Amino acid sequence: AQSVTQPDIHITVSEGASLELRCNYSYGATPYLFWYVQSPGQGLQLLLKYFSGDTLVQGIKGFEAEFKRSQSSFNLRKPSVHWSDAAEYFCAVGSSGSARQLTFGSGTQLTVLP
Amino acid sequence: DAGITQSPRYKITETGRQVTLMCHQTWSHSYMFWYRQDLGHGLRLIYYSAAADITDKGEVPDGYVVSRSKTENFPLTLESATRSQTSVYFCASRAGWGPDQPQHFGDGTRLSIL
Repeated sequence: AQSVTQPDIHITVSEGASLELRCNYSYGATPYLFWYVQSPGQGLQLLLKYFSGDTLVQGIKGFEAEFKRSQSSFNLRKPSVHWSDAAEYFCAVGSSGSARQLTFGSGTQLTVLP
Repeated sequence: DAGITQSPRYKITETGRQVTLMCHQTWSHSYMFWYRQDLGHGLRLIYYSAAADITDKGEVPDGYVVSRSKTENFPLTLESATRSQTSVYFCASRAGWGPDQPQHFGDGTRLSIL
């Protein structure tokens, strides 16, 4: 069965600084990978996805992620963080089963300092 | 507006009571999902549905019942609520089976069981 690990429960960065959120997955075949963001009191919004092709994927809000098969990682990055990026971020892997269910990591809470 | 809506947004009930959480989507998506979100666990899949009248268990189905008589609705029922079911519940939908199809989430229902 697939699994996702987000090693950092909480990350604090200053506004304007760069950001990298880590995600490691366990999956037997080529994974389908997603990053979602959750603002307080809201549902999850898709930031970006990867399922084949170029290993560097661009998403919304200036985010990007790089798939590294050798490291089983799919880290999320942003060159310059804005205060509005403060939220919780979830990495997820899609299964190959009939419904392609998502398995989520436990999330990383991002705090942005002014 | 088109989208996925959950009701109620907040619910307080007592142990042993039956409670139903509603989920409605206007996209005519085939797949629908119910997750619960608990601190430290990310989102865990409760039940999912591939189409009307087709449902299947996820990772944590015990104590929950679902139905899907119409494509657009996917209610989740706690037949006899327990305190361990206090959580935030998210409904999601997805258009099709393809790996590049993301899930779209509602804003969640915060359920407290006293």
